[in-house]
Amino acid sequence: NAGVTQTPKFQVLKTGQSMTLQCAQDMNHEYMSWYRQDPGMGLRLIHYSVGAGITDQGEVPNGYNVSRSTTEDFPLRLLSAAPSQTSVYFCASKSRGQWQPQHFGDGTRLSIL
Amino acid sequence: AQKVTQAQTEISVVEKEDVTLDCVYETRDTTYYLFWYKQPPSGELVFLIRRNSFDEQNEISGRYSWNFQKSTSSFNFTITASQVVDSAVYFCALGDSGGGADGLTFGKGTHLIIQP
Repeated sequence: NAGVTQTPKFQVLKTGQSMTLQCAQDMNHEYMSWYRQDPGMGLRLIHYSVGAGITDQGEVPNGYNVSRSTTEDFPLRLLSAAPSQTSVYFCASKSRGQWQPQHFGDGTRLSIL
Repeated sequence: AQKVTQAQTEISVVEKEDVTLDCVYETRDTTYYLFWYKQPPSGELVFLIRRNSFDEQNEISGRYSWNFQKSTSSFNFTITASQVVDSAVYFCALGDSGGGADGLTFGKGTHLIIQP
């Protein structure tokens, strides 16, 4: 019963470094998305995917790239980390049915120095 | 554009009191979905309930109840006889006709503190 797995759980980067946040789900869900959570801001959508090979931008996509080569994986790449990207990142997946809720991973806490 | 407003940033009550968390939403869609999630201090997001725009029936689950009113665009959440374990941040979220396939719009959350 792994559900949505995010790695790493914690990461500290220096400004300008790049890294990839991993997200994998084992529920065969078509839809996956990335959110960031900042104090007092709730969760904001970064990118989402409705299937392998299909991605699109959410509310706050700048500075992030995604790809979806398989149904299971949806990595989020920070191209050149900036202090403004310090946040908690959540990956989510959901099945095709309209009625189905999103399932969230446990989050990755990222600090950019 | 969709929007979710949770006007209560923080609520503090004493254990066993009833508490209502407000959620007001905006959307131009006629078909949409509303969700409540709980984020305990451990940080994970826990799904609580979903409601579609065609079902205004209120729902009760144990000490939890939800009041959906399309006329006021509200989807409020009430905890009866609150307990310390209810302390968490609660998020209301809105999905479009795809149920959030292209992501959900979240409110900023209400931090609920239940004091013993």
